[in-house]
Amino acid sequence: DTAVSQTPKYLVTQMGNDKSIKCEQNLGHDTMYWYKQDSKKFLKIMFSYNNKELIINETVPNRFSPKSPDKAHLNLHINSLELGDSAVYFCASSQEGAGGRWVDTQYFGPGTRLTVL
Amino acid sequence: RKEVEQDPGPFNVPEGATVAFNCTYSNSASQSFFWYRQDCRKEPKLLMSVYSSGNEDGRFTAQLNRASQYISLLIRDSKLSDSATYLCVGLYGNKLVFGAGTILRVKS
Repeated sequence: DTAVSQTPKYLVTQMGNDKSIKCEQNLGHDTMYWYKQDSKKFLKIMFSYNNKELIINETVPNRFSPKSPDKAHLNLHINSLELGDSAVYFCASSQEGAGGRWVDTQYFGPGTRLTVL
Repeated sequence: RKEVEQDPGPFNVPEGATVAFNCTYSNSASQSFFWYRQDCRKEPKLLMSVYSSGNEDGRFTAQLNRASQYISLLIRDSKLSDSATYLCVGLYGNKLVFGAGTILRVKS
């Protein structure tokens, strides 16, 4: 199936640990994103990559490091996990339009529910 | 002030009702607006784009008022399956900015 997939779906871990979340899209898109949705359901962008190049880097602690090995994959590594990192992390992808300004429909992955104990 | 603001609801309506959501935005630089739908414990999915001229897709009508800086979504003949959170979204440069969402509960 064509889609955006994420692994794992659930992640429960202790404070201080390091963890990674993986994302893959087979839609042929050239832009990928990481979003965080907190307990208040507010969805906020963290990072965006276009053709493996970082183009959006919101105010996110440097414990969060995205990595894009190719344009179909965008992984998120989190060091020294804290209680406040507990949230649902969504990966998304889209196709950039002419002039690099228009962002087509974003397709979201199913989310990774991270719980830090 | 948040860039995109919505009434969180919940809106509790009976089946068959017409319900309208509004959303206001503070930054007029946004190029485009959208409504996304998010079901409980699922990912957001695009419902429809919003144009100044208004656009309709079946029972759903979206409208953008740039002068007053608000976006609306009208749902006619509500179905149980319309129960979800509706997210108002603005496009700023390369970035989508999401409102916190409005919860709709349609009851039989």
